[in-house]
Amino acid sequence: SYEVTQPPSVSVSPGQTARITCSGDALPKKYAFWYQQKSGQAPVLVIYEDKKRPSGIPERFSGSTSGTMATLTISGAQVEDEGDYYCFSTDSRGNPVFGGGTKLTVL
Amino acid sequence: EVQLVQSGAEVKKTGESLKISCKGSGFRFTFYWIGWVRQMPGKGLEWMGIIYPSDSDTKYSPSFEGQVTFSADRSISTAYLHWSSLKASDTAMYYCARLFCTNSSCSYDSWGQGTLVTVSS
Repeated sequence: SYEVTQPPSVSVSPGQTARITCSGDALPKKYAFWYQQKSGQAPVLVIYEDKKRPSGIPERFSGSTSGTMATLTISGAQVEDEGDYYCFSTDSRGNPVFGGGTKLTVL
Repeated sequence: EVQLVQSGAEVKKTGESLKISCKGSGFRFTFYWIGWVRQMPGKGLEWMGIIYPSDSDTKYSPSFEGQVTFSADRSISTAYLHWSSLKASDTAMYYCARLFCTNSSCSYDSWGQGTLVTVSS
């Protein structure tokens, strides 16, 4: 079955730029979406259609793609950005899949 | 305000049946697909499938086909996730989420608070 692959963890100091990657063979033709999940909370959509930001999401969150990789960038990461981040996309037939998640630590 | 409110935590025994609910408000419930997502303890998100409350059309992930059943009662804007015989491996948090579609894509833009299901022998 199709998979999108993320690193298990990313760690940055406050104010630094955090980059979380998502790799998948279908990403050149399928959109990537990014969800943030803070401890004990439901996921929140932070990026849709590769690079668009929903209303209410801080400008420091941005998305990009290059070939088979999508990247979530948090410019000037803050302690409040700590949590798990999930890439979401579909395979070539449109079947949805979540990445395994990346734990972001900001300290 | 778009809201999805899920039913409360459940503690059940293996072999028992269970139905949890997800009630929508602040939007036309019958105009949107509702998805279900599992999160096992300490693990990531897993897409289970979706239901269209207007006509109860369903699409299941192959991993969950035959293991669970989705249903909906559009008269009360509520979607359900049902197990006929629980297993210990069904212990997880379950989320419902609204599927919002534009001309170019669909994404889950609003989520319920989650329902924790604990199954023991």
